[in-house]
Amino acid sequence: KQEVTQIPAALSVPEGENLVLNCSFTDSAIYNLQWFRQDPGKGLTSLLLIQSSQREQTSGRLNASLDKSSGRSTLYIAASQPGDSATYLCAVTTGTASKLTFGTGTRLQVTL
Amino acid sequence: DAGVTQSPTHLIKTRGQQVTLRCSPKSGHDTVSWYQQALGQGPQFIFQYYEEEERQRGNFPDRFSGHQFPNYSSELNVNALLLGDSALYLCASSSWGTANYEQYFGPGTRLTVT
Repeated sequence: KQEVTQIPAALSVPEGENLVLNCSFTDSAIYNLQWFRQDPGKGLTSLLLIQSSQREQTSGRLNASLDKSSGRSTLYIAASQPGDSATYLCAVTTGTASKLTFGTGTRLQVTL
Repeated sequence: DAGVTQSPTHLIKTRGQQVTLRCSPKSGHDTVSWYQQALGQGPQFIFQYYEEEERQRGNFPDRFSGHQFPNYSSELNVNALLLGDSALYLCASSSWGTANYEQYFGPGTRLTVT
């Protein structure tokens, strides 16, 4: 059974800092890994999708890496801003269809 | 291009009642998945529909059932509601059989059972 863990559970940083969020998964036979952002009480916004054959993806200030063999992914956020405050969830797709298994998220607060 | 839409936004029900939630997928998508997200937790997979059939199911009781219509929209039905069914219900759409399986989520329906 696939299990996804995210560390840390919560993080508070001052504006402008670079930060790293971690995600680990137990079954390396994944199709892809997605990072999502969730604002309180809202739905999920897809940030980055990394295919199992890829090592990293970048979008603006975000960079996600994937090490499938060790079951790890990191989300790097450069020059954090208060608007980045949200919960960040990682999820992996395994099996023959697009079922996502999620971690419990990292709640990020960026302070002025 | 409309994204994934869900209705209603919020819902309050009493224990034992039944509820129906609705989802319209993103234009061009034919697969709908439903997730339950309890407070402070990650979303949990309920089931997935493609070609009007349930293709996969997570670890949820038979009180949870669904339907997909010819226009790809979907309904989630929950019978005999329990207090523990209170959660944010998320719908996700994707294209069946595409290599990247990227999923797009709707805004969710907040269900409160009293």
